[in-house]
Amino acid sequence: LAKTTQPISMDSYEGQEVNITCSHNNIATNDYITWYQQFPSQGPRFIIQGYKTKVTNEVASLFIPADRKSSTLSLPRVSLSDTAVYYCLVGDRPSGTYKYIFGTGTRLKVLA
Amino acid sequence: GAGVSQSPRYKVAKRGQDVALRCDPISGHVSLFWYQQALGQGPEFLTYFQNEAQLDKSGLPSDRFFAERPEGSVSTLKIQRTQQEDSAVYLCASSPRGQEADTQYFGPGTRLTVL
Repeated sequence: LAKTTQPISMDSYEGQEVNITCSHNNIATNDYITWYQQFPSQGPRFIIQGYKTKVTNEVASLFIPADRKSSTLSLPRVSLSDTAVYYCLVGDRPSGTYKYIFGTGTRLKVLA
Repeated sequence: GAGVSQSPRYKVAKRGQDVALRCDPISGHVSLFWYQQALGQGPEFLTYFQNEAQLDKSGLPSDRFFAERPEGSVSTLKIQRTQQEDSAVYLCASSPRGQEADTQYFGPGTRLTVL
Protein backbone atom coordinates (compact mmCIF):
# COMPACT_ATOMS: atom_id res chain seq x y z
CA LEU A 1 0.00 0.00 0.00
CA ALA A 2 1.36 3.38 -1.00
CA LYS A 3 2.27 5.77 1.78
CA THR A 4 2.21 9.51 1.31
CA THR A 5 3.73 11.63 4.06
CA GLN A 6 3.90 15.34 4.83
CA PRO A 7 5.05 17.44 7.78
CA ILE A 8 2.28 17.69 10.33
CA SER A 9 2.37 21.46 10.74
CA MET A 10 4.18 24.64 9.75
CA ASP A 11 4.08 28.23 10.94
CA SER A 12 4.90 31.21 8.75
CA TYR A 13 4.56 34.97 8.80
CA GLU A 14 2.58 36.99 6.34
CA GLY A 15 4.48 37.83 3.19
CA GLN A 16 6.86 34.87 3.43
CA GLU A 17 7.22 32.04 0.97
CA VAL A 18 6.10 28.64 2.27
CA ASN A 19 7.30 25.30 0.92
CA ILE A 20 5.49 22.09 1.83
CA THR A 21 6.95 18.76 0.75
CA CYS A 22 5.11 15.50 0.19
CA SER A 23 6.84 12.13 -0.02
CA HIS A 24 5.23 9.58 -2.35
CA ASN A 25 7.77 6.81 -2.85
CA ASN A 26 5.46 4.40 -4.71
CA ILE A 27 4.03 6.76 -7.30
CA ALA A 28 3.20 5.00 -10.56
CA THR A 29 4.50 6.01 -13.97
CA ASN A 30 1.21 7.48 -15.17
CA ASP A 31 0.10 9.18 -11.98
CA TYR A 32 -0.09 12.92 -11.47
CA ILE A 33 0.43 14.80 -8.22
CA THR A 34 -2.29 17.14 -7.08
CA TRP A 35 -2.35 19.54 -4.15
CA TYR A 36 -5.42 20.69 -2.29
CA GLN A 37 -6.24 23.27 0.35
CA GLN A 38 -8.90 22.55 2.95
CA PHE A 39 -10.58 24.94 5.35
CA PRO A 40 -12.69 23.71 8.30
CA SER A 41 -16.11 22.39 7.30
CA GLN A 42 -15.28 22.60 3.58
CA GLY A 43 -14.24 20.13 0.94
CA PRO A 44 -10.68 20.15 -0.42
CA ARG A 45 -10.08 22.91 -2.96
CA PHE A 46 -7.76 22.36 -5.93
CA ILE A 47 -4.52 24.33 -5.91
CA ILE A 48 -2.21 22.86 -8.54
CA GLN A 49 -1.36 19.65 -10.39
CA GLY A 50 1.76 18.40 -12.08
CA TYR A 51 3.54 15.37 -13.52
CA LYS A 52 7.20 16.35 -13.58
CA THR A 53 9.62 19.30 -13.30
CA LYS A 54 7.89 22.55 -12.43
CA VAL A 55 4.35 23.85 -12.79
CA THR A 56 3.23 27.35 -11.91
CA ASN A 57 -0.18 28.96 -11.79
CA GLU A 58 -1.55 32.18 -10.38
CA VAL A 59 -1.51 30.96 -6.77
CA ALA A 60 1.32 28.42 -6.39
CA SER A 61 4.23 26.53 -7.88
CA LEU A 62 4.84 22.81 -7.80
CA PHE A 63 8.32 21.32 -7.98
CA ILE A 64 8.74 17.65 -8.85
CA PRO A 65 12.22 16.08 -9.03
CA ALA A 66 13.19 13.65 -11.77
CA ASP A 67 12.51 10.53 -9.67
CA ARG A 68 9.03 11.87 -8.80
CA LYS A 69 9.20 10.33 -5.33
CA SER A 70 8.41 13.67 -3.74
CA SER A 71 6.90 17.01 -4.60
CA THR A 72 7.06 20.49 -3.10
CA LEU A 73 4.21 22.97 -3.06
CA SER A 74 5.43 26.55 -2.94
CA LEU A 75 3.11 29.34 -1.83
CA PRO A 76 4.58 32.79 -2.49
CA ARG A 77 3.93 35.63 -0.05
CA VAL A 78 1.34 33.92 2.16
CA SER A 79 -1.44 35.87 3.86
CA LEU A 80 -3.58 35.14 6.91
CA SER A 81 -6.25 33.66 4.66
CA ASP A 82 -3.82 30.91 3.60
CA THR A 83 -4.12 29.36 7.07
CA ALA A 84 -5.51 25.92 6.24
CA VAL A 85 -4.59 22.26 5.88
CA TYR A 86 -2.75 21.32 2.70
CA TYR A 87 -2.85 17.84 1.19
CA CYS A 88 -1.07 16.15 -1.66
CA LEU A 89 -2.98 13.50 -3.61
CA VAL A 90 -1.54 10.72 -5.73
CA GLY A 91 -2.95 7.60 -7.32
CA ASP A 92 -2.28 4.14 -5.94
CA ARG A 93 -2.04 2.41 -9.31
CA PRO A 94 0.79 0.04 -8.37
CA SER A 95 -1.75 -1.82 -6.27
CA GLY A 96 -3.91 -2.30 -9.38
CA THR A 97 -6.79 -0.16 -8.18
CA TYR A 98 -8.39 3.16 -9.02
CA LYS A 99 -7.60 4.25 -5.50
CA TYR A 100 -6.15 7.65 -4.64
CA ILE A 101 -4.13 8.35 -1.53
CA PHE A 102 -4.15 11.66 0.30
CA GLY A 103 -1.05 12.73 2.15
CA THR A 104 -1.12 13.02 5.89
CA GLY A 105 -1.83 16.74 5.61
CA THR A 106 0.13 19.81 6.67
CA ARG A 107 -1.56 22.34 8.91
CA LEU A 108 -0.23 25.75 7.90
CA LYS A 109 -0.66 28.64 10.29
CA VAL A 110 0.11 32.11 8.98
CA LEU A 111 0.91 34.67 11.64
CA ALA A 112 0.57 38.44 11.37
CA GLY B 1 -20.98 26.48 -13.64
CA ALA B 2 -22.21 24.62 -10.60
CA GLY B 3 -19.74 22.61 -8.64
CA VAL B 4 -20.21 19.31 -6.84
CA SER B 5 -23.08 19.40 -4.39
CA GLN B 6 -23.88 17.04 -1.55
CA SER B 7 -26.92 16.58 0.63
CA PRO B 8 -27.67 16.64 3.40
CA ARG B 9 -24.81 18.74 4.72
CA TYR B 10 -25.34 17.36 8.21
CA LYS B 11 -26.92 14.12 9.30
CA VAL B 12 -27.44 12.80 12.81
CA ALA B 13 -28.38 9.15 13.12
CA LYS B 14 -28.99 6.84 16.01
CA ARG B 15 -26.83 3.76 16.09
CA GLY B 16 -28.43 1.06 14.00
CA GLN B 17 -30.25 3.39 11.61
CA ASP B 18 -29.69 3.37 7.88
CA VAL B 19 -28.57 6.57 6.14
CA ALA B 20 -28.32 7.70 2.53
CA LEU B 21 -25.98 10.44 1.39
CA ARG B 22 -26.40 12.07 -2.00
CA CYS B 23 -23.81 13.47 -4.40
CA ASP B 24 -24.55 15.58 -7.48
CA PRO B 25 -21.35 15.73 -9.54
CA ILE B 26 -20.43 18.38 -12.05
CA SER B 27 -22.59 17.84 -15.12
CA GLY B 28 -20.95 15.60 -17.69
CA HIS B 29 -18.19 14.33 -15.42
CA VAL B 30 -17.43 10.69 -16.07
CA SER B 31 -15.67 9.84 -12.81
CA LEU B 32 -17.06 9.99 -9.30
CA PHE B 33 -15.27 9.24 -6.06
CA TRP B 34 -16.38 8.88 -2.45
CA TYR B 35 -14.01 9.55 0.44
CA GLN B 36 -14.37 9.34 4.22
CA GLN B 37 -12.67 11.93 6.39
CA ALA B 38 -12.49 11.27 10.14
CA LEU B 39 -12.02 14.22 12.46
CA GLY B 40 -8.50 15.60 12.18
CA GLN B 41 -7.51 13.13 9.48
CA GLY B 42 -7.03 13.25 5.75
CA PRO B 43 -9.70 11.91 3.41
CA GLU B 44 -9.59 8.18 2.69
CA PHE B 45 -10.75 6.62 -0.54
CA LEU B 46 -13.94 4.57 -0.40
CA THR B 47 -15.08 3.83 -3.93
CA TYR B 48 -14.85 4.91 -7.59
CA PHE B 49 -17.38 5.04 -10.43
CA GLN B 50 -16.77 5.52 -14.11
CA ASN B 51 -20.17 6.48 -15.47
CA GLU B 52 -22.54 3.95 -13.89
CA ALA B 53 -19.92 1.26 -13.37
CA GLN B 54 -18.42 0.86 -9.92
CA LEU B 55 -14.86 -0.03 -10.84
CA ASP B 56 -13.31 0.03 -7.40
CA LYS B 57 -14.89 -0.48 -4.00
CA SER B 58 -11.75 -1.55 -2.23
CA GLY B 59 -11.97 1.24 0.34
CA LEU B 60 -15.44 0.48 1.64
CA PRO B 61 -14.86 -0.45 5.28
CA SER B 62 -17.54 -3.11 5.57
CA ASP B 63 -20.49 -4.68 3.80
CA ARG B 64 -22.70 -2.16 5.57
CA PHE B 65 -21.47 0.43 3.06
CA PHE B 66 -23.01 0.45 -0.38
CA ALA B 67 -22.74 2.99 -3.20
CA GLU B 68 -24.57 3.33 -6.49
CA ARG B 69 -24.69 5.61 -9.52
CA PRO B 70 -27.44 4.02 -11.62
CA GLU B 71 -27.63 6.59 -14.44
CA GLY B 72 -24.04 7.72 -14.41
CA SER B 73 -24.73 11.06 -12.78
CA VAL B 74 -26.10 11.34 -9.23
CA SER B 75 -24.60 8.93 -6.71
CA THR B 76 -25.83 7.71 -3.35
CA LEU B 77 -23.71 6.31 -0.55
CA LYS B 78 -25.77 4.17 1.79
CA ILE B 79 -24.68 3.01 5.21
CA GLN B 80 -26.76 0.34 6.87
CA ARG B 81 -27.00 -0.23 10.61
CA THR B 82 -24.79 2.74 11.40
CA GLN B 83 -22.15 2.45 14.11
CA GLN B 84 -20.42 5.17 16.08
CA GLU B 85 -17.19 4.58 14.17
CA ASP B 86 -19.03 5.64 10.99
CA SER B 87 -19.11 9.23 12.29
CA ALA B 88 -17.10 11.24 9.79
CA VAL B 89 -17.38 13.66 6.89
CA TYR B 90 -18.20 11.93 3.63
CA LEU B 91 -16.77 13.71 0.62
CA CYS B 92 -17.73 13.26 -3.00
CA ALA B 93 -15.52 14.29 -5.91
CA SER B 94 -15.96 14.20 -9.66
CA SER B 95 -13.54 14.47 -12.56
CA PRO B 96 -14.11 14.96 -16.28
CA ARG B 97 -12.76 11.95 -18.15
CA GLY B 98 -11.56 9.25 -15.83
CA GLN B 99 -7.92 9.71 -16.75
CA GLU B 100 -4.87 10.02 -14.51
CA ALA B 101 -4.37 13.67 -15.53
CA ASP B 102 -7.88 14.62 -14.44
CA THR B 103 -8.40 16.97 -11.53
CA GLN B 104 -10.88 15.86 -8.89
CA TYR B 105 -13.34 18.54 -7.78
CA PHE B 106 -14.78 18.09 -4.33
CA GLY B 107 -18.14 18.83 -2.80
CA PRO B 108 -18.58 20.36 0.66
CA GLY B 109 -19.14 16.99 2.30
CA THR B 110 -21.81 15.50 4.52
CA ARG B 111 -20.99 15.39 8.20
CA LEU B 112 -22.47 12.22 9.70
CA THR B 113 -22.77 11.91 13.45
CA VAL B 114 -23.88 8.57 14.86
CA LEU B 115 -25.14 8.71 18.42
